[in-house]
Amino acid sequence: KAGVTQTPRYLIKTRGQQVTLSCSPISGHRSVSWYQQTPGQGLQFLFEYFSETQRNKGNFPGRFSGRQFSNSRSEMNVSTLELGDSALYLCASSLAGAQFFGPGTRLTVL
Amino acid sequence: GENVEQHPSTLSVQEGDSAVIKCTYSDSASNYFPWYKQELGKGPQLIIDIRSNVGEKKDQRIAVTLNKTAKHFSLHITETQPEDSAVYFCAALNKGQTGANNLFFGTGTRLTVIP
Repeated sequence: KAGVTQTPRYLIKTRGQQVTLSCSPISGHRSVSWYQQTPGQGLQFLFEYFSETQRNKGNFPGRFSGRQFSNSRSEMNVSTLELGDSALYLCASSLAGAQFFGPGTRLTVL
Repeated sequence: GENVEQHPSTLSVQEGDSAVIKCTYSDSASNYFPWYKQELGKGPQLIIDIRSNVGEKKDQRIAVTLNKTAKHFSLHITETQPEDSAVYFCAALNKGQTGANNLFFGTGTRLTVIP
């Protein structure tokens, strides 16, 4: 089976812009979770989608949002980008508890 | 919420020796504990996991132990090889009735295996 794929792999944006990241889960997986990884804060949970519904949400401002489509693919959006949003954004898909991560999207905000 | 602490932050071992990484968690309701290996430029890779109804699990050179009473769990890697060099993360999760999948991660251990 193909693993979790994320696009794009790298992204450079300027402050104030918005960005959309995409994640395709492992075939058959219906749960998609998003995490932010930074050197200072480590790996932090953003939100989880299951069957097109947000099932859980972490402690991030409303500028961070997401959605899931009927084929389980998910997108996350960050609006009004800030310098501190520079991070590796990871997507993980899950079938029966175990979460499998994609390679991530490296976002740099200038 | 859950708080996961991980030690040590860096670990260097000679090739062939064993490596042990320890984590503690705060939420007694946590019932699933995975370990991830992250290499440079890659996403975390699940290497082993354990559920709260099991005290120990082994997969070839890797083993994980769980002490629910003390709320700590450990990763043991035997016969280390240079390719084991990476950052290792522990995590904890309370699946609960909602089936929520928000993992709480430790801060990571950078393991270096010296040939």
